[in-house]
Amino acid sequence: DAGVIQSPRHEVTEMGQEVTLRCKPISGHNSLFWYRQTMMRGLELLIYFNNNVPIDDSGMPEDRFSAKMPNASFSTLKIQPSEPRDSAVYFCASSFRPGPQETQYFGPGTRLLVL
Amino acid sequence: AQSVTQLDSQVPVFEEAPVELRCNYSSSVSVYLFWYVQYPNQGLQLLLKYLSGSTLVKGINGFEAEFNKSQTSFHLRKPSVHISDTAEYFCAVALYNQGGKLIFGQGTELSVKP
Repeated sequence: DAGVIQSPRHEVTEMGQEVTLRCKPISGHNSLFWYRQTMMRGLELLIYFNNNVPIDDSGMPEDRFSAKMPNASFSTLKIQPSEPRDSAVYFCASSFRPGPQETQYFGPGTRLLVL
Repeated sequence: AQSVTQLDSQVPVFEEAPVELRCNYSSSVSVYLFWYVQYPNQGLQLLLKYLSGSTLVKGINGFEAEFNKSQTSFHLRKPSVHISDTAEYFCAVALYNQGGKLIFGQGTELSVKP
């Protein structure tokens, strides 16, 4: 079975450019999460969706970050304009049902480097 | 505020030795507890989780963890490690009243040496 799919796997861009990260959750899963992993801050939740609706975006660092989920099989995380401090590994995860007891299945991540 | 503390950032052990990775949490509300493993250049994978019931939870790859409510701990153990267990291990909590939001510890890097 296909797991969570993320693209691209690696992205190198210059400061000021727009970056779009993509995620395809596991088919049939109804919740989707975006996380960021850095050495300084560890793993932190940016935003999550239930049934394509954003539920909690309190972790989104600032207005330069936006996320959408136009349908059950696709989500994007956009950074515009990008800055060097956005360099991190961005993970997408999905779970079958909404709820704190649910297992989250993680994608392989997108490694972003902003020069 | 809720937080998760993993007491050891790095744990080196020899193959076939036992290991314990320590995790403490702080929360004013009930939580669910998780351990995830991250192999190099991969995403996270669930090892085990505690939701309710028996405080000793068994997971994949021979790992187990014990929930101790009075000490607010959820330590991960394995009686005999293999080289293939070399990875980073994350303890996480989910608050029962905050949807699926996971709060992660800083991670423990387990290095198994031959």
